[in-house]
Amino acid sequence: SQKIEQNSEALNIQEGKTATLTCNYTNYSPAYLQWYRQDPGRGPVFLLLIRENEKEKRKERLKVTFDTTLKQSLFHITASQPADSATYLCALGSNFGNEKLTFGTGTRLTIIP
Amino acid sequence: KAGVTQTPRYLIKTRGQQVTLSCSPISGHRSVSWYQQTPGQGLQFLFEYFSETQRNKGNFPGRFSGRQFSNSRSEMNVSTLELGDSALYLCASSLSGVETQYFGPGTRLLVL
Repeated sequence: SQKIEQNSEALNIQEGKTATLTCNYTNYSPAYLQWYRQDPGRGPVFLLLIRENEKEKRKERLKVTFDTTLKQSLFHITASQPADSATYLCALGSNFGNEKLTFGTGTRLTIIP
Repeated sequence: KAGVTQTPRYLIKTRGQQVTLSCSPISGHRSVSWYQQTPGQGLQFLFEYFSETQRNKGNFPGRFSGRQFSNSRSEMNVSTLELGDSALYLCASSLSGVETQYFGPGTRLLVL
């Protein structure tokens, strides 16, 4: 069955360092992968989308890589700040259009001042 | 532009009852998806509606149903509530599909 694993439930990083979150998947051939941020008591907020034929995507301090051979995506936050503390979710989509997203269980990131 | 709104925000029901949750998408968005989020299972896809038609469905029992109206507003219904239905129910809207979805704040349902 399809399985999406995010490296750990919780990750603590010192302020100013780079936080790296991992999303691994099995039995899946995604057309694209998304990363979301979720704060307590709120819905997820879309951050980045990367397609299967793209290796890397950047947005301000965020960088996502996508390796379809390793079946893995890495999500980096550079120069991390306490405000980056949240749960980060990866989600996979099988094809554009008539499809559904499958989410990982998330990694709770805490940036320590 | 107003974001996705969901009503009610909190709900307490007892086993066996039914519940209807409402979602108003961002203006111009025609796709609405529903998700259930629990600590144990994470975010799980329920169904997606586009132009009043259910376009995709997750692996949930038939007690979970939904519909979409001509103005793209959507409702989700759960009949014969079970304790395990306690969860945060999220809806998300997008222009035409699940790419770049915008989530609402969710409805927290507690079944006693």
